[in-house]
Amino acid sequence: KAGVTQTPRYLIKTRGQQVTLSCSPISGHRSVSWYQQTPGQGLQFLFEYFSETQRNKGNFPGRFSGRQFSNSRSEMNVSTLELGDSALYLCASSLHFNTDTQYFGPGTRLTVL
Amino acid sequence: KNEVEQSPQNLTAQEGEFITINCSYSVGISALHWLQQHPGGGIVSLFMLSSGKKKHGRLIATINIQEKHSSLHITASHPRDSAVYICAVYMEYGNKLVFGAGTILRVKS
Repeated sequence: KAGVTQTPRYLIKTRGQQVTLSCSPISGHRSVSWYQQTPGQGLQFLFEYFSETQRNKGNFPGRFSGRQFSNSRSEMNVSTLELGDSALYLCASSLHFNTDTQYFGPGTRLTVL
Repeated sequence: KNEVEQSPQNLTAQEGEFITINCSYSVGISALHWLQQHPGGGIVSLFMLSSGKKKHGRLIATINIQEKHSSLHITASHPRDSAVYICAVYMEYGNKLVFGAGTILRVKS
């Protein structure tokens, strides 16, 4: 079974631009969660999608948004990028969020200049 | 105070030593995860616990729900165990995963 894939793996943007990151979960997994990892804040929960519905959102500004498609693939978007948005963005998939193991993708390294 | 506290923050061990990493949390949870992250970023889920004890190879994870505490043990440690170990709790209310700051483990040969 193929693992969780994320594209692109690396991205460089400038302040004010917007970015879209993609995550393809393991086949059969319906839950996709997104996380941000920075040296200062560590890992932080962004949002979770299950069957195309956002179940919960972390404490991030409205510039961070996401969606999930009928095939469970998910995208997250960050608009009006700020320097502080530079981070590793990870997605993870699972069958059901709170009862099953989460499988993480390799992450997208976003650098904002 | 963080909702999830890990100790120690850094740990250096000699190959073969028994290692314990601790995680304490202050909120009601429905599950606790132990994660391993190697340099380069890749995260692997080691255990998901809601009660008792789980074992996988040289790794053992325990949880005491009443005391709001979990431990991750590594027996016969090896340099390949060097990584960051992260505790994360799935909050009972709020449907979100909250992470500890991680424990940086270095096993020397």
